[in-house]
Amino acid sequence: NAGVTQTPKFQVLKTGQSMTLQCAQDMNHNSMYWYRQDPGMGLRLIYYSASEGTTDKGEVPNGYNVSRLNKREFSLRLESAAPSQTSVYFCATEGRVNTEAFFGQGTRLTVV
Amino acid sequence: AQSVAQPEDQVNVAEGNPLTVKCTYSVSGNPYLFWYVQYPNRGLQFLLKYITGDNLVKGSYGFEAEFNKSQTSFHLKKPSALVSDSALYFCAVRDGVGSFQKLVFGTGTRLLVSP
Repeated sequence: NAGVTQTPKFQVLKTGQSMTLQCAQDMNHNSMYWYRQDPGMGLRLIYYSASEGTTDKGEVPNGYNVSRLNKREFSLRLESAAPSQTSVYFCATEGRVNTEAFFGQGTRLTVV
Repeated sequence: AQSVAQPEDQVNVAEGNPLTVKCTYSVSGNPYLFWYVQYPNRGLQFLLKYITGDNLVKGSYGFEAEFNKSQTSFHLKKPSALVSDSALYFCAVRDGVGSFQKLVFGTGTRLLVSP
């Protein structure tokens, strides 16, 4: 039982390059989230998906797109990476409302 | 929108002493509050939550939190700190209604427990 799996764990991009961060969960949860974590800023919500087929913008969606491919997978895409997107990205899932959220181990992304 | 604030960037405490990590909230309606912990190079792990009921909530690893409605606070506490408690702690609040609910996190407090 892997829980929440994020790939890759580390990535270095050049400005303007694109990439997709992958997240997969085997917990049969409906809700999935993408956060970014920056020093002194805590975790900020980028996008979330309450269920398969639905996605909504969070606090900082600009420069990102998401796809809820199926119940298990929720990907985050950077179309044209910028240095301001250097961050640690976390995927999270949640079952029923007001239960605990489960987090992946994160993707450390550096844009140079 | 709901929000939480963690007024301390860092808390230092000696091993064996009690610890408190502060969190205040701003919500309309009933607050649903959470504490998470992050160890180095790891994702966040759930510690405890307040949904309703007793104001003192007990969680993992000996942690507890006290919900205080009059002071709009949800401070995390532990009677006797361990060096292994050193980590980054996040307070969070539920925001939204129905199925479109999301967690909103505070900025985090780094706890350093010295031997």
